[in-house]
Amino acid sequence: QSALTQPASVSGSPGQSITISCTGTSSDVGGYNYVSWYQQHPGKAPKLMIYDVSNRPSGVSNRFSGSKSGNTASLTISGLQAEDEADYYCSSYTSSSTQVFGGGTKLTVL
Amino acid sequence: EVQLVESGGGLVQPGRSLRLSCTASGFTFGDYAMSWVRQAPGKGLEWVGFIRSKAYGGTTEYAASVKGRFTISRDDSKSIAYLQMNSLKTEDTAVYYCTRDQDERYYFDYWGQGTLVTVSS
Repeated sequence: QSALTQPASVSGSPGQSITISCTGTSSDVGGYNYVSWYQQHPGKAPKLMIYDVSNRPSGVSNRFSGSKSGNTASLTISGLQAEDEADYYCSSYTSSSTQVFGGGTKLTVL
Repeated sequence: EVQLVESGGGLVQPGRSLRLSCTASGFTFGDYAMSWVRQAPGKGLEWVGFIRSKAYGGTTEYAASVKGRFTISRDDSKSIAYLQMNSLKTEDTAVYYCTRDQDERYYFDYWGQGTLVTVSS
């Protein structure tokens, strides 16, 4: 199972919005509504930000939103803040009953 | 408060074995699936495998990279999940995280702090 494809890096200024894409195939992202997103600060464990494509866990800011179109899922962060600077990973269930992560995207807040 | 604490990491030679433990608290352990996810130094996350809850058969699934070498098990009476790693390779060097999952929902809602496994001669 190949890793999902994410851009290596994205950047934005405080207050702006950014979108991170996550591209898979019809055997993973496109075939199931089981896409999730994780935020990881340096030296820390990942944190769940979005599950089931677009649902936010309790306690996660509503500045974070998720969507999916075909084989590509997206994470949008609006009103960028300095503390959003981190690595972001998408994950999807697959037709092999396994799970697969994206390669990760480093978000820089300028 | 949900807590997951991994233990058992360390330095091991190629070809040897190591068993990691994940001790859970703050929730009814037996009601949840559990996964292991690893992260090689400076690299991204890689899903290793998971074990379903007994209600869903307690069965396991593994990534192709570890299938046949790694085994996940659970002891619901002790609230512990295990990752038995055999025939270790240098490319298995990573921080290993255990995570709490939702059966049939496929996302990782809580993570441990991770334990470092270094495979080197």
